[in-house]
Amino acid sequence: EDQVTQSPEALRLQEGESSSLNCSYTVSGLRGLFWYRQDPGKGPEFLFTLYSAGEEKEKERLKATLTKKESFLHITAPKPEDSATYLCAVQDAGGGADGLTFGKGTHLIIQP
Amino acid sequence: DAGVIQSPRHEVTEMGQEVTLRCKPISGHDYLFWYRQTMMRGLELLIYFNNNVPIDDSGMPEDRFSAKMPNASFSTLKIQPSEPRDSAVYFCASSRSIPQATQYFGPGTRLTVL
Repeated sequence: EDQVTQSPEALRLQEGESSSLNCSYTVSGLRGLFWYRQDPGKGPEFLFTLYSAGEEKEKERLKATLTKKESFLHITAPKPEDSATYLCAVQDAGGGADGLTFGKGTHLIIQP
Repeated sequence: DAGVIQSPRHEVTEMGQEVTLRCKPISGHDYLFWYRQTMMRGLELLIYFNNNVPIDDSGMPEDRFSAKMPNASFSTLKIQPSEPRDSAVYFCASSRSIPQATQYFGPGTRLTVL
């Protein structure tokens, strides 16, 4: 059974204070690892897909990295508008396993 | 482009009543997914369709839940009879028919069963 564990559950940072969110996963074969952002009362918004260990992707102040067992979402010099819940999900390479298995997310608060 | 559309956005009902949630996927997307989000369990896959055919319904909690996709632009998730423990936010997502395709989520339906 696929499993995704995210840490920390919650993180409070000052504006400009860089940090990293962790996503540890167990999957028989990884088809893809996905990062989403979720704002209160809204659906998850896609950020990145990573496919293989060593891969990195960047978007503005966010950078996602992937190893064989975990992924990190690095946030550089965050701003208050980066406050949200960040969700990590995996897609298994097995046949008929097109759905995503999500972690419970990291609730990030950036204080001005 | 219009994203995934869900209705209603909020539903409050009493235990025992039938509830129907609706979803319109993004045009051209062949996959449609139904997820449920609760504080305790996070986001969980309930069922998904490919080209209107249900592929995996192993996440459907029990027989009270059913889902249909009569055509490429419409799907329903029905709960009959509803129970308080069904209270959650239900999301619909869609994706193209390629490996590792991104799933795009709708705004969700917040269901409260009293």
